[in-house]
Amino acid sequence: GDSVTQMEGPVTLSEEAFLTINCTYTATGYPSLFWYVQYPGEGLQLLLKATKADDKGSNKGFEATYRKETTSFHLEKGSVQVSDSAVYFCAPVSGGYNKLIFGAGTRLAVHP
Amino acid sequence: EPEVTQTPSHQVTQMGQEVILRCVPISNHLYFYWYRQILGQKVEFLVSFYNNEISEKSEIFDDQFSVERPDGSNFTLKIRSTKLEDSAMYFCASSEALQGGVHNEQFFGPGTRLTVL
Repeated sequence: GDSVTQMEGPVTLSEEAFLTINCTYTATGYPSLFWYVQYPGEGLQLLLKATKADDKGSNKGFEATYRKETTSFHLEKGSVQVSDSAVYFCAPVSGGYNKLIFGAGTRLAVHP
Repeated sequence: EPEVTQTPSHQVTQMGQEVILRCVPISNHLYFYWYRQILGQKVEFLVSFYNNEISEKSEIFDDQFSVERPDGSNFTLKIRSTKLEDSAMYFCASSEALQGGVHNEQFFGPGTRLTVL
């Protein structure tokens, strides 16, 4: 079945460091791809998305590019802030009814 | 900005009791979902609902679970006889119709934390 493999955390960085969180997936067809973020004590928020190959999703300084050839959707940010501390979930869509398949989540902790 | 709301924010129940978790999706959305997240684990799909019927469900969604859209605005998840292992955060989500085959983002509610004692 469809699945997601996400970089294990926790990831601990100093402020202004470069961030990469790897995500690869297996899915039928060419699903839309999403990154969701969960801040402490809150629900899930969409961070960015890409709907077709070579699309780059971006938001709040985060970017991810839909790589069909490697079935990957790695999340990057050039300079993280303390406020970026959260859990990040990679989630492709699976099937005709749009269900999301979530990765295990990567906890990011950014220290001043 | 429209948002998905869920009530209650925290529900504590005794094992074997029935619980109903409530959600109000965004008003013009047509697809509705329930997911759950056991503490410290990943978010898992439970069920999707479209056109007043279940469109897909996971293995977790057994006969103890049911969903309903009773009045055109609320979307409920019922657990008939709760077990200890049902303790989790339950998230409701909704999305617009597919557009040209492109899957739209799902908007999530803040979640209901269910604790089964």
